Amino acid sequence: RKEVEQDPGPFNVPEGATVAFNCTYSNSASQSFFWYRQDCRKEPKLLMSVYSSGNEDGRFTAQLNRASQYISLLIRDSKLSDSATYLCVVNPMDSSYKLIFGSGTRLLVRP
Amino acid sequence: ETGVTQTPRHLVMGMTNKKSLKCEQHLGHNAMYWYKQSAKKPLELMFVYSLEERVENNSVPSRFSPECPNSSHLFLHLHTLQPEDSALYLCASSRTAFPAGLEADYGYTFGSGTRLTVV
Repeated sequence: RKEVEQDPGPFNVPEGATVAFNCTYSNSASQSFFWYRQDCRKEPKLLMSVYSSGNEDGRFTAQLNRASQYISLLIRDSKLSDSATYLCVVNPMDSSYKLIFGSGTRLLVRP
Repeated sequence: ETGVTQTPRHLVMGMTNKKSLKCEQHLGHNAMYWYKQSAKKPLELMFVYSLEERVENNSVPSRFSPECPNSSHLFLHLHTLQPEDSALYLCASSRTAFPAGLEADYGYTFGSGTRLTVV
């Protein structure tokens, strides 16, 4: 089983749509979680950390379900500029601070 | 200059060549990392350095040799590479390699990467 699993997509949605991505992780001891965004041929950039209580940043909402070991990202009112690959990232906290990345979910927002 | 800078941006090398990738961070971070990103595969952690000391070596072949002369600079020396080593090599930094509490929520800052092609 992969340490971090994501649906590769692509998710093809119209502008203004709401879209949600899920991600599952295998290490129940994992302590910190993130969503990164990666544009084509660019480096990943931190979108948001994911907190146990859930958190929101503008149109983006992240949720963590420790019991089921999954993380979600909700994007409301999608913009064309949201088109990118969204990477689910987990820190297993078993040694040093190493982040384990999922393969990413590709989002395409069409006009 | 701010952030994490990687050079070169693109590199084409033959299998018998020796080359080095350079990474420099201007964030005052104490930890630096090398990741490899191959097409259609997730980022793979290669090495972790904390204050110039290597703390993780993720079963990386010896043809990849990291060097961290100080907490701001990280190199990846390459020799006798194979075509399957062609990938995007990403450097990252973080405040610490051993975060406690909320420090773990800051994540990494990545450089723009070096796109390596081995011919």
